[in-house]
Amino acid sequence: GAVVSQHPSRVICKSGTSVKIECRSLDFQATTMFWYRQFPKQSLMLMATSNEGSKATYEQGVEKDKFLINHASLTLSTLTVTSAHPEDSSFYICSARVMGASSYNEQFFGPGTRLTVL
Amino acid sequence: AQSVAQPEDQVNVAEGNPLTVKCTYSVSGNPYLFWYVQYPNRGLQFLLKYITGDNLVKGSYGFEAEFNKSQTSFHLKKPSALVSDSALYFCAVRVTSGTYKYIFGTGTRLKVLA
Repeated sequence: GAVVSQHPSRVICKSGTSVKIECRSLDFQATTMFWYRQFPKQSLMLMATSNEGSKATYEQGVEKDKFLINHASLTLSTLTVTSAHPEDSSFYICSARVMGASSYNEQFFGPGTRLTVL
Repeated sequence: AQSVAQPEDQVNVAEGNPLTVKCTYSVSGNPYLFWYVQYPNRGLQFLLKYITGDNLVKGSYGFEAEFNKSQTSFHLKKPSALVSDSALYFCAVRVTSGTYKYIFGTGTRLKVLA
C-alpha cells in the first residue's frame, strides 16, 4: 500500500515551453502533497506544500508564478513549470501524506520526474 | 532553526561488514526522525522512523537506527552490509510547527564493496 506515482518519469522540452508533472496517490487519499527539487548529488529542497482545495504554500525563494501547483483532488497534485529555462532542469519529486494519518506517519514519495530543458 | 547534518558524503564498507551512516539533528521540542534510501533516478523509500519509545528502531531490509538524545544523533546501522545496499541515504527531521514538512540532510552515498 501507500504508492505514489509520477508522470512523466522523464521529459525533455524546449526553452520557453511549459511542462506539467502529475503526482498521484494510487491507493490512498492525500490531503497534503509536497513538491521537492533535487539537483545532482544534492539533497532534496522543498519547493511547496500542496493542500487539496486550497492554494499551495511556497517555500522562500520559490517563484509561485513559475511553478504552478494545483491539488484538485485527494489523489492528484500537479506541478507546472511555466516558461521553462535550462536552469529549471532538475529531478522533481513529490511526496504525500495519508489523509487522516497520525502526524507522526512518514511521507510516501513518488519515483521522480527528470526534466531537461534544452 | 531546525536542521539535519550528515557529516559524511560517502561511506565505503566491505560486504558482510557492519555499516553506520551518521546523522545529527537540531530541533526545538521532540524530534521526529526518519531515514530514507534513494536508488539512482528513483524516489525515496522509507526505511524507519523514530517518534518516541525505544531508542533502537528497527526498519526495512535489516536496517536499524539508534536515537541518542544527549548526542542529538540518529545513526543508521546494519550488522552485515550487502552490495545491494549501495545507494544514497537521507536522514530527515519533521518540522514541529504542524506543517508536516521535512528537512533533509545532504545525503550520504553508501558503497558496499564485494
